[in-house]
Amino acid sequence: GAVVSQHPSRVICKSGTSVKIECRSLDFQATTMFWYRQFPKQSLMLMATSNEGSKATYEQGVEKDKFLINHASLTLSTLTVTSAHPEDSSFYICSVASFGLQETQYFGPGTRLLVL
Amino acid sequence: QQPVQSPQAVILREGEDAVINCSSSKALYSVHWYRQKHGEAPVFLMILLKGGEQKGHEKISASFNEKKQQSSLYLTASQLSYSGTYFCGTEGMAAGNKLTFGGGTRVLVKP
Repeated sequence: GAVVSQHPSRVICKSGTSVKIECRSLDFQATTMFWYRQFPKQSLMLMATSNEGSKATYEQGVEKDKFLINHASLTLSTLTVTSAHPEDSSFYICSVASFGLQETQYFGPGTRLLVL
Repeated sequence: QQPVQSPQAVILREGEDAVINCSSSKALYSVHWYRQKHGEAPVFLMILLKGGEQKGHEKISASFNEKKQQSSLYLTASQLSYSGTYFCGTEGMAAGNKLTFGGGTRVLVKP
């Protein structure tokens, strides 16, 4: 499967600041990446689909101006949480869509965000 | 719509079997199964594409009934390492690789 990294793994920030999370596909070129949010003991909720070279597609209810996504290259997508508030505290996970014989998603290790 | 997983949680003794079900209200193209350990990312187990197809990963296997829009994950002779939360991710007929995940099933395997 694909190898995906995320940075940082944990971040604590003050309310009102912005936080950038990087998602990298280490072993293949990913035209599509996905960003999820997961609250404690809950399921993975898709936030947006990140497409290389074009605008991200956001799920209903996700504010595109608050969660900025940039997919500038085939190996890197970034999620910026702007003006973070305590309710944005969550586990953010990216995944890479693998095409071919076995089309599935491979997940990064996740970023735990705590907004104080 | 989110697929429904059952049971929500199950406790097993090492060596016992368990079944986790995933049911969708819409037509499915594929079902993907993942296992997530606490504080870690979900790990891909297997994908099922066709009705009645069964697949295996170690002693974990799964089936997909396309007509009923249901998939089941079978944990056979469970090991301690099987503990974690299992998620099914469903892909609709026009979803373009986009997955919708179920609520998860927590599995605890005790010695």
